[in-house]
Amino acid sequence: EVQLVQSGGDLVQPGGSLRLSCAASGFTFSINSMSWVRQAPGKGLEWVSYIDSTSSNIYYADSVEGRFTISRDNAKNSLYLQMSGLRAEDTAVYYCASVSYRVSDYWGQGTLVTVSS
Amino acid sequence: DIQMTQSPSSVSASVGDRVTITCRASQDISTWLAWYQQKPGKAPKLLITAASSLKSGVPSRFSGSGSGTDFTLTISSLQPEDFATYHCQQSSSFPQFTFGGGTKVEFK
Repeated sequence: EVQLVQSGGDLVQPGGSLRLSCAASGFTFSINSMSWVRQAPGKGLEWVSYIDSTSSNIYYADSVEGRFTISRDNAKNSLYLQMSGLRAEDTAVYYCASVSYRVSDYWGQGTLVTVSS
Repeated sequence: DIQMTQSPSSVSASVGDRVTITCRASQDISTWLAWYQQKPGKAPKLLITAASSLKSGVPSRFSGSGSGTDFTLTISSLQPEDFATYHCQQSSSFPQFTFGGGTKVEFK
């Protein structure tokens, strides 16, 4: 069974930093591309970042470019999102998702990031 | 950037009703469109890829159609477990996905 188990969400002050983690099992993580998607309270889904299987191709949404860093450790079957310079508008549930044939086929359970003083 | 517009933003329906949701792209995306179902407090679940291909295990009452800029998701006979929010997603500009605003299917 494919599982993506997320951790790391928290309450953080504006300007602060946080690292999200996503632990994968039940599939060959090392050959799958991955992405992060977020959902602000009561809002729609917003794509945040993408990383291919070898970390050779990485992309970010304009809204997080320069502040967020996606990475992965294939030996640990894990995906990460390092977030810095956090703003109130970054408050959201963050989901990790595997990417296959241009769709997000499996999703983590989500982790809440709240940016507030 | 490709913008995705879903309509309606919400729809009230009863069990057994036929429900149609539309998604419009700001430019031609061929059939690079997926549909997801999301229940409250849960992660989205993939339903349809390539505009009309049902993911394995998804009930056949769900169907998708369209190409270019206009797409539809149809639920032929709404079931109690189908009350949820539905999102479209374009992947023409992969890997920079764009989602529609979502359509909430509510109980009438």
